Amino acid sequence: KNQVEQSPQSLIILEGKNCTLQCNYTVSPFSNLRWYKQDTGRGPVSLTIMTFSENTKSNGRYTATLDADTKQSSLHITASQLSDSASYICVVHYGNNRLAFGKGNQVVVIP
Amino acid sequence: EPEVTQTPSHQVTQMGQEVILRCVPISNHLYFYWYRQILGQKVEFLVSFYNNEISEKSEIFDDQFSVERPDGSNFTLKIRSTKLEDSAMYFCASRSSGGNYEQYFGPGTRLTVT
Repeated sequence: KNQVEQSPQSLIILEGKNCTLQCNYTVSPFSNLRWYKQDTGRGPVSLTIMTFSENTKSNGRYTATLDADTKQSSLHITASQLSDSASYICVVHYGNNRLAFGKGNQVVVIP
Repeated sequence: EPEVTQTPSHQVTQMGQEVILRCVPISNHLYFYWYRQILGQKVEFLVSFYNNEISEKSEIFDDQFSVERPDGSNFTLKIRSTKLEDSAMYFCASRSSGGNYEQYFGPGTRLTVT
């Protein structure tokens, strides 16, 4: 079954600190993996996209990694800001343009 | 920057009533999608639409659901007879025919069935 699991479910971090979010997937055939940021009450917004051959991708303070062999990805947030408070969703694109969504990592940044 | 828009932002309806959720995809996009997200749950795929017909649908998308592109800009999701369990955020997404197949999501419509 095509599954995307994320951990931790939620975390609280101090402003300025770093954090790393994890994503494991069992989806196939794999096409690419995306991390989305979803603010409360809003639609998901794409942060990064990685294909099978890419190991790391950065977008400002967000850095995503991908290990296609172990089917794991991570999203690292550097020097967190209050505006980083959101749900971060790992989404795997597979097959004929289907998307498998993780449940999200809920991040709360506190001053 | 072009974006997907959805109306209304919040819809409250009574069980058994029909609702129509509206979306305006990005203008040059050709592929359209509906997803839903029950509170606290994952985003779930409902249906994809291309060339004026459904290209794929999930098991959630049963006979009470329908989609339509009534004109050149709107893309609608109709729920014929709403149930309590239809309460969720409904997201529309669209994408172009090329590039990295990225889907752009709208802000969502929160549907509350009472």
